[in-house]
Formats: sequence, structure tokens, C-alpha cells
Amino acid sequence: AQKVTQAQTEISVVEKEDVTLDCVYETRDTTYYLFWYKQPPSGELVFLIRRNSFDEQNEISGRYSWNFQKSTSSFNFTITASQVVDSAVYFCALSEANSGNTPLVFGKGTRLSVIA
Amino acid sequence: DSGVTQTPKHLITATGQRVTLRCSPRSGDLSVYWYQQSLDQGLQFLIQYYNGEERAKGNILERFSAQQFPDLHSELNLSSLELGDSALYFCASSVVPATGQGDGYTFGSGTRLTVV
Repeated sequence: AQKVTQAQTEISVVEKEDVTLDCVYETRDTTYYLFWYKQPPSGELVFLIRRNSFDEQNEISGRYSWNFQKSTSSFNFTITASQVVDSAVYFCALSEANSGNTPLVFGKGTRLSVIA
Repeated sequence: DSGVTQTPKHLITATGQRVTLRCSPRSGDLSVYWYQQSLDQGLQFLIQYYNGEERAKGNILERFSAQQFPDLHSELNLSSLELGDSALYFCASSVVPATGQGDGYTFGSGTRLTVV
């Protein structure tokens, strides 16, 4: 069965610091998708990125970057020069594509607090 | 607006009561998922429907049930409510059943249920 582990429950950084959120996953499928979502204090889930298992290229989007390493089953998320608006709970998630019917499985989330 | 509409946004009810949460998926999406987010829990998958049929079941209690109608909207029914059922309930939709193609999963803004 698939599993997503976010070992960091809470992280607190000072504004402008870089921060990395860890995500480790388990799956038996060879084809799968990994996601990151942001949940700000308002509560909605904001989609950040989707990555398929065949694409190990790192991705950068503005201050956000993602490092996907199949060898360590990790999909880590880095925020560069953090800002107060980045304060939120961040969820890593996995869906297995081979079986075709598995919904998203989420980690328990990492609460990021960015202090001014 | 994500395109997934959940109503109501807030609901307060007493223990032992029954409530119905409604979800309208994004236009064109056939698959609907329900998730529960309790205070100290991550996002727990409850149930998935695809084009009117149940596709996958997660940690859904027997007191809970769901259905997807011909117009593709879905309802989650929660009965004999207990204090512990207080949570944020999310609905998500996708174009294909959990393959992560396209935009992946689109989440509604959630229904916050408070049982008193």
C-alpha cells in the first residue's frame, strides 16, 4: 500500500531564510504521481505541483523548487527567501497510476511559520 | 474559484443528528473524492465515485454514506453524528479516475462541520 511521510510536523523560520520541507513516499507501482499542496490559514487546498515517476528533473517556479529523487523515494520542496505569506500547512501526496483507481494519499503535513 | 463547489461552507449541528454535504465537480470531471481533515489528522480519504459508481473506499465509517448523481454532483451523508466527526470535509474532482493526468485533482474550499 502507498504511504507518504512528512517527518517535520512544524518548522519555524525567519523571513528571507530558505527552508526545505521533506517528503518520503512508499509505493509498489512503477508509475505514480507526486504532488504538493499548500493549505493557508483560510483552509483551502492550493495545488502547487504534480510530478510523474518518469520525470526526475528538478523543477523551479519562482521561489519554489522541488527535488525528486527516486533512489531515496523523496520529493522535497524548498522555498527560497521565505516570506510571511508562505506561512501555511504544506502537504505532500501520492497517487498510484498503475492500478488506475487509487485516490490521493496525503502525508500528515508540515506547518510552516515564517516570522517577520 | 477552483471550479469545485462545496455547500454549505459551515455547518453546526448537534450530536445524533444527520447532515448532507454537497459537492459539484469541475465541469467535465467524472471522478469525485471525499476527504476528511480532523484537527490533528492529515487528510483522510473517505470515498471515491466515478461517473455515478463507487470506485474506492477509504476510512469511511458505516454511519457515513455517499452517492454521485447523474449530473455528477455528489453528496456525503453523515448520520448519528458524534463530537469526533467535527472536521473539514473536502471534495475533489478529476478528469480520469486517479491517474493524475491533466491538472490532477481540483479541491473545493471545504465544508467545516462542527458537532456540538
